[in-house]
Amino acid sequence: DTAVSQTPKYLVTQMGNDKSIKCEQNLGHDTMYWYKQDSKKFLKIMFSYNNKELIINETVPNRFSPKSPDKAHLNLHINSLELGDSAVYFCASSQQVGGSSQYFGPGTRLTVT
Amino acid sequence: GENVEQHPSTLSVQEGDSAVIKCTYSDSASNYFPWYKQELGKRPQLIIDIRSNVGEKKDQRIAVTLNKTAKHFSLHITETQPEDSAVYFCAFSPSNTGKLIFGQGTTLQVKP
Repeated sequence: DTAVSQTPKYLVTQMGNDKSIKCEQNLGHDTMYWYKQDSKKFLKIMFSYNNKELIINETVPNRFSPKSPDKAHLNLHINSLELGDSAVYFCASSQQVGGSSQYFGPGTRLTVT
Repeated sequence: GENVEQHPSTLSVQEGDSAVIKCTYSDSASNYFPWYKQELGKRPQLIIDIRSNVGEKKDQRIAVTLNKTAKHFSLHITETQPEDSAVYFCAFSPSNTGKLIFGQGTTLQVKP
């Protein structure tokens, strides 16, 4: 049983393209997140949704657009990809907002050439 | 701003020794402090967390201590084993916003 899953695991694409990453959790959690891990392993919050509502947007460029069709799914669409978008993107979920354990998906390694 | 300083950045110990990683955070209103272990190419995995109503929590060979006055928290691993080798991240949740602010990571190497 995979608690938090992401697809695809790897994504290689050219600059200027548009791509999407999908995330699903079967833990019954209310809150989901997107984090970016750069080449130096630094993990940074991008977005958070609680019950399909956006609650955190960490000044991410508007080329990044998250969407939560229901509380078990959180997708990330990226327009006009740039070289600097190359990173590992992790989805995570927690039971509720604030002080609640977060569980990460396996990550999507995005390479922009 | 919201940040957490983590030290050391790398740590090498002999199998069986103890390892200690320390973090200092910025937001005095925070009350949730998790630690994650990330093996190469894998996801960050929650290994232990502590809330501010306690000063120490232990789970087998790992323990976390919290000093809210000094805004410090530490991870202690005893009787280290080669499979403990990984990158360890501390984190905190500013003012219970839900988001986690991560430290820079500590690469732990346990030599057999």
